[in-house]
Amino acid sequence: QVQLRESGPGLVKPSETLSLSCTVSGGSISTYYWSWIRQPPGKGLEWIGYIYYSGSTNYNPSLRSRVTISVDTSKKQFSLKLSSVTAADTALYYCARGGDLWSGLTQFDYWGQGTLVTVSS
Amino acid sequence: SYELTQPLSVSVALGQTARITCGGNNIGSKNVHWYQQKPGQAPVLVIYRDSTRPSGIPERFSGSSSGNTATLTISRAQAGDEADYYCQVWDSSTVVFGGGTNLTVL
Repeated sequence: QVQLRESGPGLVKPSETLSLSCTVSGGSISTYYWSWIRQPPGKGLEWIGYIYYSGSTNYNPSLRSRVTISVDTSKKQFSLKLSSVTAADTALYYCARGGDLWSGLTQFDYWGQGTLVTVSS
Repeated sequence: SYELTQPLSVSVALGQTARITCGGNNIGSKNVHWYQQKPGQAPVLVIYRDSTRPSGIPERFSGSSSGNTATLTISRAQAGDEADYYCQVWDSSTVVFGGGTNLTVL
């Protein structure tokens, strides 16, 4: 059974960079697309971006200037960096698997449990 | 940019059928996926590619899509179906989520 687990600081200061990692277990990281999705408290889901295991990426246009997603296949991890954060970036951050080599970009079939990141001084 | 529109809330009597819609321009030409999210939990995929149920999802959950509307149907609604439901598509290699619908079972 594939499992994803997010990790990283729960508190980030305004103007600093938010950094999270997602570790994949119970399955391969290769040949899949991996995404970051966030959910502000009491609000809906917002997709941040994806990375293919080979390293190709695509980001939400509204966040593109501040987002970097990277992958380390040897550690079975992919990571998120979001720069110049403000209170509006306070959210529950999820990592998820969404597509593969054969099907392309598809549904998100596995999700992490989410990690809350608060932006505050 | 592509947008998906969902009703904020839907109510259904216990044991009856709930229908949650997701509107988008020519959404019938895209693959629509649906997620259920209960309070304090991560979203769970309940329908993918318009109408396919993942293993473990009850047959009471079904989906359809045509024209400008996709629909998630929950038959014989149970108290345990109370949750937020989100539709999702890919558009130009970016993800679009609907705003979410809160389902209340009366």
